[in-house]
Amino acid sequence: AQSVTQLDSQVPVFEEAPVELRCNYSSSVSVYLFWYVQYPNQGLQLLLKYLSGSTLVKGINGFEAEFNKSQTSFHLRKPSVHISDTAEYFCAVKNQGGKLIFGQGTELSVKP
Amino acid sequence: GAVVSQHPSRVICKSGTSVKIECRSLDFQATTMFWYRQFPKKSLMLMATSNEGSKATYEQGVEKDKFLINHASLTLSTLTVTSAHPEDSSFYICSARDAVGLNTEAFFGQGTRLTVV
Repeated sequence: AQSVTQLDSQVPVFEEAPVELRCNYSSSVSVYLFWYVQYPNQGLQLLLKYLSGSTLVKGINGFEAEFNKSQTSFHLRKPSVHISDTAEYFCAVKNQGGKLIFGQGTELSVKP
Repeated sequence: GAVVSQHPSRVICKSGTSVKIECRSLDFQATTMFWYRQFPKKSLMLMATSNEGSKATYEQGVEKDKFLINHASLTLSTLTVTSAHPEDSSFYICSARDAVGLNTEAFFGQGTRLTVV
């Protein structure tokens, strides 16, 4: 079965610093990978997705992620964060049945 | 992107009553809708998958008589929490997609905060 592990439950960082949110997946088949952001009391918004092609994926709000098949990772990065990036971030993999399997989430806290 | 509207955003109900949550796709036809439950500081747990015009498929451990799902049209799915109890208090989120296929994106509603008192 496919699964997703987000290695950090909380990531505190200062404004304008770079950040990396880690995500590892397990799958024996081709994968479709996603990163979502959730602001307090809101639904999920898609940041970016990897379906095929280039392993470096660029998304909204200046985020990007790199698909690494050998390390089964899909880490999310941003070179310079803003206060407004404070939110919960979820990595997800889509299984063969089309269902999204979510990681546990990483709380990004950007401090001034 | 496509818009999925969820209503209400917040609801407080008395223990023993039933609550209906609506999920609408505003600018596309949703062949499939998903219902999730999210506990505080936790990830999303898929409760059920519904396809328009057919019975919902529930995940293991989810009581189908407790959480009634109806997907009667291509733009509307409802989740009814029957005989609600305080332990049903949670954040419920729906998502919808307009086609079959692993590379088809699902769009999420804003969520509904249910508090049972």
